[in-house]
Amino acid sequence: NAGVTQTPKFRILKIGQSMTLQCTQDMNHNYMYWYRQDPGMGLKLIYYSVGAGITDKGEVPNGYNVSRSTTEDFPLRLELAAPSQTSVYFCASSGGSWGSGTDTQYFGPGTRLTVL
Amino acid sequence: RKEVEQDPGPFNVPEGATVAFNCTYSNSASQSFFWYRQDCRKEPKLLMSVYSSGNEDGRFTAQLNRASQYISLLIRDSKLSDSATYLCVVKIRGTASKLTFGTGTRLQVTL
Repeated sequence: NAGVTQTPKFRILKIGQSMTLQCTQDMNHNYMYWYRQDPGMGLKLIYYSVGAGITDKGEVPNGYNVSRSTTEDFPLRLELAAPSQTSVYFCASSGGSWGSGTDTQYFGPGTRLTVL
Repeated sequence: RKEVEQDPGPFNVPEGATVAFNCTYSNSASQSFFWYRQDCRKEPKLLMSVYSSGNEDGRFTAQLNRASQYISLLIRDSKLSDSATYLCVVKIRGTASKLTFGTGTRLQVTL
């Protein structure tokens, strides 16, 4: 049971390039999330999904896209990388349901992205 | 005003000390409360949930005051291994398990 895995661990992109950050969980969780964390800042929610085929915007969705074709996978796509997207990206999953009060989010190890 | 505000850090304490972190939240619809721990360059991990009656887990005690919209975390007998950033986290009622994170308070325990 690996939990939440993310690839790659590190990546350097040039301005305007595209890439996909991969996220997979093996806990059969319905809910998955993408966050970004900038130095000295809290985690900001980019997108989330409550199940396969269902995604929704979080607090900072601009410049990103997601898809959820399976329960296990929740990739994050950057189409035109900008320096403002330099950050650490965390994927998380939880088994919680709508309104549930005690669900825990499990995080992947993160992807450190630099855009130059 | 930030939705979740925490004590500014860092806190530098000697081993064996007792240290307390505070957190305030602004949304009265906040339903669930947590403390997460984040080690340097690692992912956040759940330390403990915070219940209305207060709860304890070994050396860690969490308190919640809904009237004042205030959460606290007390660490007794600090260990070197407690050095980390502690994140105050809130879930708003009726949301899809979305969490709102504070910016964190860094703790450094020294010999």
